[in-house]
Amino acid sequence: EAQLVESGGGLVKPGGSLRLSCEASGFTFTRHSMNWVRQAPGKGLEWVSSISYSSTYIYYTDSVKGRFTVSRDNAKNLLYLQMNSLRAEDSGVYYCARDHLANRGFDPWGQGTLVTVSS
Amino acid sequence: QSVLTQPPSASGTPGQRVTISCSGSSSDIGTNYVYWYQHLPGTAPKVLIYRNDQRPSGVPDRFSGSKSGTSASLAISGLRSEDEADYYCAAWDDSLGWVFGGGTKLTVL
Repeated sequence: EAQLVESGGGLVKPGGSLRLSCEASGFTFTRHSMNWVRQAPGKGLEWVSSISYSSTYIYYTDSVKGRFTVSRDNAKNLLYLQMNSLRAEDSGVYYCARDHLANRGFDPWGQGTLVTVSS
Repeated sequence: QSVLTQPPSASGTPGQRVTISCSGSSSDIGTNYVYWYQHLPGTAPKVLIYRNDQRPSGVPDRFSGSKSGTSASLAISGLRSEDEADYYCAAWDDSLGWVFGGGTKLTVL
């Protein structure tokens, strides 16, 4: 069974940095694009970033461009999100999600890791 | 403000049919597939509908999706208490990347 487990969330001051990790298991990681999606407190889901299986194609939502960097280590089945210059509005639960093959959507999703940006 | 527009709330009684709408534009729903996700707070979101109207295995046939032009909808028939959740539509936007609707909170009365 495909499974994703996020880690690395926590409390950080505005302007600080944090690196999130997502460990994949139960599927061939190297065949899938991967994604980060976040949910601010009381708000809806917001896509953050996507990375193709070979890291050739990388995309970001406008609000994080220049501050966040997505990467992956296919040898270790790990997805990362390096977050710099964090702002209060970056607070929320961050989910990693697998891009299922053949346009079958984001499936599965991890349980999420909470990021709180506050002084 | 979300790129895709959904009603913030919907409700129905057990057994009823409920429809949730999702409105977009020519650069997202108009040219790309629509997806629907179910999210119970504190849990991982789950894909309900992919490629506009396809159901993953394990999703009951009470859930159905449709798309017409730049709009899409999710229908839930035979409403059950366990359907109470937040529902999100999503699509790829040719300029913005993945875009989600603001979410619809479904209440089963």
